[in-house]
Amino acid sequence: GEDVEQSLFLSVREGDSSVINCTYTDSSSTYLYWYKQEPGAGLQLLTYIFSNMDMKQDQRLTVLLNKKDKHLSLRIADTQTGDSAIYFCAEPAADYSGGGADGLTFGKGTHLIIQP
Amino acid sequence: SQTIHQWPATLVQPVGSPLSLECTVEGTSNPNLYWYRQAAGRGLQLLFYSVGIGQISSEVPQNLSASRPQDRQFILSSKKLLLSDSGFYLCAWSVHRDQPQHFGDGTRLSIL
Repeated sequence: GEDVEQSLFLSVREGDSSVINCTYTDSSSTYLYWYKQEPGAGLQLLTYIFSNMDMKQDQRLTVLLNKKDKHLSLRIADTQTGDSAIYFCAEPAADYSGGGADGLTFGKGTHLIIQP
Repeated sequence: SQTIHQWPATLVQPVGSPLSLECTVEGTSNPNLYWYRQAAGRGLQLLFYSVGIGQISSEVPQNLSASRPQDRQFILSSKKLLLSDSGFYLCAWSVHRDQPQHFGDGTRLSIL
């Protein structure tokens, strides 16, 4: 993957749902990832989806994958103040069928701002 | 369970000084290891990755180098720091190249 794009900011009211969107470029990506970064901290793996799936749900998190449009979204239900963070979408940096371990390509991150 | 440790958490260094950041992983063998840099307001840039002891691949030309002297130890170094080396450095590991990566808490490096 060369370019992963995300909106820089998203503001939602506490209790509403948050939907963070991402577009990626490498159609051969095996997994797609969502990471969460709180201020001054490292990245926490939030969830990931295998490329042969359309949807994955894990408690308040729902990941939707549209392979045709290369679009990935993360929905957080009942958004809480503790969800305030930067959310990164990421895909493998290379086609693993070629071997190697080329890391992940990240978007610039979406700042999720929670309004009381 | 597996854990990853990075130190120091913060570092302030003068221009031209050397650098050594250390990362260790516990609870797994032969992990893939990665060094990323996060500049302010930007995403993460992969600097180096390693699939085994002594095996280092560099993604971008730069003032930094990496070494893997032991299976679960990954070190980021520089002989002479530049102002542009400032940033947040993150180490990560994965079981296999197709598996999720897990990150350390990062080192915030400020160059004066």
